[in-house]
Amino acid sequence: QQQVKQSPQSLIVQKGGISIINCAYENTAFDYFPWYQQFPGKGPALLIAIRPDVSEKKEGRFTISFNKSAKQFSLHIMDSQPGDSATYFCAARDSSGSARQLTFGSGTQLTVLP
Amino acid sequence: EAGVAQSPRYKIIEKRQSVAFWCNPISGHATLYWYQQILGQGPKLLIQFQNNGVVDDSQLPKDRFSAERLKGVDSTLKIQPAKLEDSAVYLCASSLVGGEQFFGPGTRLTVL
Repeated sequence: QQQVKQSPQSLIVQKGGISIINCAYENTAFDYFPWYQQFPGKGPALLIAIRPDVSEKKEGRFTISFNKSAKQFSLHIMDSQPGDSATYFCAARDSSGSARQLTFGSGTQLTVLP
Repeated sequence: EAGVAQSPRYKIIEKRQSVAFWCNPISGHATLYWYQQILGQGPKLLIQFQNNGVVDDSQLPKDRFSAERLKGVDSTLKIQPAKLEDSAVYLCASSLVGGEQFFGPGTRLTVL
């Protein structure tokens, strides 16, 4: 019940295209859904996050779409650039407990071709 | 503001040897996390500290892994003895209580 399932495992997009990464969860107690970006040799860095009281959040070229009834959320990268090439992780957190730990998806390796 | 510091960055050991990793969190961050990231997978939480107390260590293999956070600042994670399946990147993260987690660059461990 703690799993977060992420797809696709890898994604290749042309420069200027739209990259879409999807995640699904089971635990209805999750109430915070961040996306992390990780470059080789670096730790993950928070990219954008959403709470389930909104269906969409946009920050620049990055948008999270959230479907509470389907227990799914997705990351859309508009006008994808070669500098966006990285591994992206979705995550989810149950804020009700004392631990408030993050559960991560398995990651999507994005390659944006020039 | 300085980020989360980790050392060493890389470590190669033989199986059954012991190894220790060190983490210095962002100043003022009470919460510290150790994650294990196996190649091709997302980070998995091993242990979470708040100040020098353990909040969650349910996924820490306690027969071989140990961690401490003396004085509520720096932390060390130890593996003794190491197994082949312990090969992974070990990430340290820190946060204000309930806040965004900031990750260090990780220590890449290879067990031969």
